Amino acid sequence: DVKVTQSSRYLVKRTGEKVFLECVQDMDHENMFWYRQDPGLGLRLIYFSYDVKMKEKGDIPEGYSVSREKKERFSLILESASTNQTSMYLCASSFGGALYGYTFGSGTRLTVV
Amino acid sequence: DQQVKQNSPSLSVQEGRISILNCDYTNSMFDYFLWYKKYPAEGPTFLISISSIKDKNEDGRFTVFLNKSAKHLSLHIVPSQPGDSAVYFCAASPDRGSTLGRLYFGRGTQLTVWP
Repeated sequence: DVKVTQSSRYLVKRTGEKVFLECVQDMDHENMFWYRQDPGLGLRLIYFSYDVKMKEKGDIPEGYSVSREKKERFSLILESASTNQTSMYLCASSFGGALYGYTFGSGTRLTVV
Repeated sequence: DQQVKQNSPSLSVQEGRISILNCDYTNSMFDYFLWYKKYPAEGPTFLISISSIKDKNEDGRFTVFLNKSAKHLSLHIVPSQPGDSAVYFCAASPDRGSTLGRLYFGRGTQLTVWP
């Protein structure tokens, strides 16, 4: 089975800190995605990448950046954490095309205080 | 602007009955649709999908119906079980044939199945 691993299940950070969320997949998937999930707002796409060193903005990229130096790893960076970035962050990967859907990680619950 | 809409944030059903979760979309270019299920503190998991060339797809207790003219799909769970209690997300893609396959998600419906 494909495995998508997010490095932390729970994180608490202070306002203004630089925060790194790491995601690793083990099945050589080309595409990787970062979403945040908030009550009543569903899953919102932050950034995605379809190849190493390639990145595309999703629907809510403000306040975030990403890095994909290796095919298996996709990092989400909060340059200066703010309280409105408190959320559940979900990483996903896909082999290619919607037919195969996404495989999601277990999520990182980030609290910014 | 939300291209995939789940207008019911919650649904409560008795065990053994049918659960019907609804989803509407606005983009006529969407040609592939998926349902995901999410338990608390876990990532969403794929449940069932349907291509726009079909109007029904069945997998055990789960059936998805697609009405392209109405831009509407629904997920039927029969019979519902307490373990089905979760948030269900509808997702759609406009590029079934492409290698990227970006999915657009609805806001989710919390299903509660009570004994």
